Parts: sequence; structure tokens; C-alpha cells
Amino acid sequence: TQLLEQSPQFLSIQEGENLTVYCNSSSVFSSLQWYRQEPGEGPVLLVTVVTGGEVKKLKRLTFQFGDARKDSSLHITAAQPGDTGLYLCAGDGTGGFKTIFGAGTRLFVKA
Amino acid sequence: DTEVTQTPKHLVMGMTNKKSLKCEQHMGHRAMYWYKQKAKKPPELMFVYSYEKLSINESVPSRFSPECPNSSLLNLHLHALQPEDSALYLCASSPALLNTGELFFGEGSRLTVL
Repeated sequence: TQLLEQSPQFLSIQEGENLTVYCNSSSVFSSLQWYRQEPGEGPVLLVTVVTGGEVKKLKRLTFQFGDARKDSSLHITAAQPGDTGLYLCAGDGTGGFKTIFGAGTRLFVKA
Repeated sequence: DTEVTQTPKHLVMGMTNKKSLKCEQHMGHRAMYWYKQKAKKPPELMFVYSYEKLSINESVPSRFSPECPNSSLLNLHLHALQPEDSALYLCASSPALLNTGELFFGEGSRLTVL
């Protein structure tokens, strides 16, 4: 069974601090996605990483895919209150049509 | 703004009611999904439609009945629900026939069963 484990589960930081969220698995994924979900809303796709070792940047967010394509990280520089939300990593499940979600990291950035 | 539109945004229903959730996308995507999300949990897959045909039913109770009238619309018919069915119901679509993990979600329908 493919599983994605995210850590930490919860993170509360001050505005301006840096943070890293991790997404790990014992399985190889052909791609991994990161989503952000705000309360009462649906998840919004932030990025897809496909190539082992790939690094993608989205403003203050940096996403990395592990060389073996089993793990990924999300680093936020100088966090802002607008970054508050649930961050979900996801990957393509075997057999098609199934996306495997991690349990999520709930981030709270205090002003 | 999301390109996947869900209605209603909020729904309160009794256990004997019949109601429907609706989802619409105009991105030309050929796969559409229903997910259920409980508080502080990730989304759980319920149904997948591909080219308007049901491809996956994740052993969902029959009180939930999906329908895909055309490539842009997806409904979820609700009947005789239980209070534990209260959750955020998310519709999503994806462009590819085979899942790449890239899903485009609607804002969800918050369901409360009394």
C-alpha cells in the first residue's frame, strides 16, 4: 500500500520565520503534488514535481523532489499570515485514477 | 477563482431528506471525482468518472448515488444520510485519462445531516 507521511502535523510560527514541511514515502512516485487548502475551501494545486532532484520555486515557496522520487519538501521563506492553511502532498497511486494524499500539515502564521 | 463550480456551498438536511450536490467544470477535463473530507483530515476518494462512465466506487454506501449527465456535469444524490455523513464534499476534475495527481477542486459543499 502506498502511503505518504507528512511532518510536522501542525506548525505555529511568527510572521517572517522560515519553515520546511516534509512528505515521505517508501514507495516511488512518478510525480508528487503540493496543495494548499484554506478553511472551508477546496485544495488548490501549488506545484507538481516530476523529475528526481527537481527544485521548483513559487515566489517564497521552494519545492524539492527527492532523487529517488520517494520524498518531497516544501520550504517557505519569510512566512506571512496569508500562508496559513493546510498543506497537502499528493502522489499518483498505482492503477490510475487514484491520488494518494498525505495527512497534511496545518500551518498557522501569526502576525 | 476556481474553474470547478459546486452548488450549494452549504446544505443542511434531515435523515429522511433527498438532496443533490452539483458540480460543473468547463475546462474540457474528462475525469471527474467526488471526495469527502472530514475536519482535520485529507480528502477521501468516493467516486471517479472517466468519459462520463463510473470507473471507481470506493465502496461508498448506496445512500450516496453519483451521476454524470455529460462531460461537464457531476451530481451526487443524497438519500437517507446519517449524521456521520456530515462533511465537506469536494468535486474535482483532471485533464488526463490516467491520473497524474493534478486535481482541480471546487470550493466544496459543506453538508450537515441532522
